[in-house]
Amino acid sequence: AQSVSQHNHHVILSEAASLELGCNYSYGGTVNLFWYVQYPGQHLQLLLKYFSGDPLVKGIKGFEAEFIKSKFSFNLRKPSVQWSDTAEYFCAVYDFGNEKLTFGTGTRLTIIP
Amino acid sequence: DVKVTQSSRYLVKRTGEKVFLECVQDMDHENMFWYRQDPGLGLRLIYFSYDVKMKEKGDIPEGYSVSREKKERFSLILESASTNQTSMYLCASSGGPPYNEQFFGPGTRLTVL
Repeated sequence: AQSVSQHNHHVILSEAASLELGCNYSYGGTVNLFWYVQYPGQHLQLLLKYFSGDPLVKGIKGFEAEFIKSKFSFNLRKPSVQWSDTAEYFCAVYDFGNEKLTFGTGTRLTIIP
Repeated sequence: DVKVTQSSRYLVKRTGEKVFLECVQDMDHENMFWYRQDPGLGLRLIYFSYDVKMKEKGDIPEGYSVSREKKERFSLILESASTNQTSMYLCASSGGPPYNEQFFGPGTRLTVL
C-alpha cells in the first residue's frame, strides 16, 4: 500500500518568509496528487491538485506545487506567507494501482506576524 | 457549492454504547467516505462507498460498520464504543471517478468515556 510522508510536523515562519512543505510517496505508478488545508476551526478543503500535464500546478491563495516523478515528490510552495496561512496542511496521493487515496500525517504551519 | 453536513460537531458517549454518526451531502455524489483524524496520524480511511447499498473497508475498519441506504446519506456506526475510538471523525464525498477531489464535512469530535 502507498504511504505518504510529510517530514515537517510543525513549521514556524515569520510573515513574508518563503515556504516549502515536503511530501513524498512510497512507490511509483500512476497517481493523482492533492494538497488539502485545514484552517483553525474550519473543515478540510482542497488547495491544489495534480492529475496530468504541467508538473507545476497553481492553487488558491498563491500556493503552488511541483510534481517530480523521479523523486516521488509533490512539494508545496509559497513565495511569501501571510499570517492567514496558519493552518494544517495535508498531502494526499490517489494510487490507481490499489484505487485508494492515502493522506500524509500533516504539517502544522504557524505564521508569526 | 458542495455541502457535506455531519449530524453533530461534538459527541460524548460512554464505553459500550452504540454510536451513530450521520453524514449528508447535497451534490448527488456517488462516492462517500469516513475518516478518522488523530494528531500525528493524519487522516485514516475507515470505510467508503461508491454507490447506494455498497460499502468497502478502508484501512482501519475494525470496530466500525457503515450504512448507505440513500445516495446522499452515509452513516458510521460504532457497535460498542471504546475509549480508543475517541477521535475526530470526518465525512467526505466526491463525484464521478473515485480519484476526484473529495469535499469534507466539518467533522464530529467524539469522546468516549
